[in-house]
Amino acid sequence: KNQVEQSPQSLIILEGKNCTLQCNYTVSPFSNLRWYKQDTGRGPVSLTIMTFSENTKSNGRYTATLDADTKQSSLHITASQLSDSASYICVVSGQAGTALIFGKGTTLSVSS
Amino acid sequence: EAGVAQSPRYKIIEKRQSVAFWCNPISGHATLYWYQQILGQGPKLLIQFQNNGVVDDSQLPKDRFSAERLKGVDSTLKIQPAKLEDSAVYLCASSLGQGSQPQHFGDGTRLSIL
Repeated sequence: KNQVEQSPQSLIILEGKNCTLQCNYTVSPFSNLRWYKQDTGRGPVSLTIMTFSENTKSNGRYTATLDADTKQSSLHITASQLSDSASYICVVSGQAGTALIFGKGTTLSVSS
Repeated sequence: EAGVAQSPRYKIIEKRQSVAFWCNPISGHATLYWYQQILGQGPKLLIQFQNNGVVDDSQLPKDRFSAERLKGVDSTLKIQPAKLEDSAVYLCASSLGQGSQPQHFGDGTRLSIL
């Protein structure tokens, strides 16, 4: 069964600290993996999209990594800010034309 | 560019009533999606349109949910009759095409069923 599992479920860090969120998937065949940020009461916003051949992709203070062999991805946030408080959702796309498979998200809280 | 517009932002109805949501995608985006997001979970695809044709509606509860995208631009999602378990946020997203194209989401309609 195609699944996307994220950990931890929630995380609290101090402003300025780094953190890493994990995503494991069992989707096969694999097309691409996406990370989205969803602020409370808002729709998800795309952070990165990585295809099979890409190992890492950055978007400002966000860096995503992908290991297609172990079917694992991580999202690293550097020098966290209060505005980083949100839910981060890992999304995997299978073969072209199939629906995206969403994880349940990791809720990040950054405190001052 | 203008984002995906959805209305209303909030809706409260009683069970067995009907409700409709509206979505205006980003101009030029051929692909439109409706998702249901229950609190604490990731979005679940209800239906995907390519222009005005349905690509995937396998998870749409067709006995009570319907959606249309007349003229391949705006779309409406309807629930009739609503059940308590339909309480969720209904997100609309659009993309230029399928495959690796990023999906742009609206802020959703939060539906509460009493």
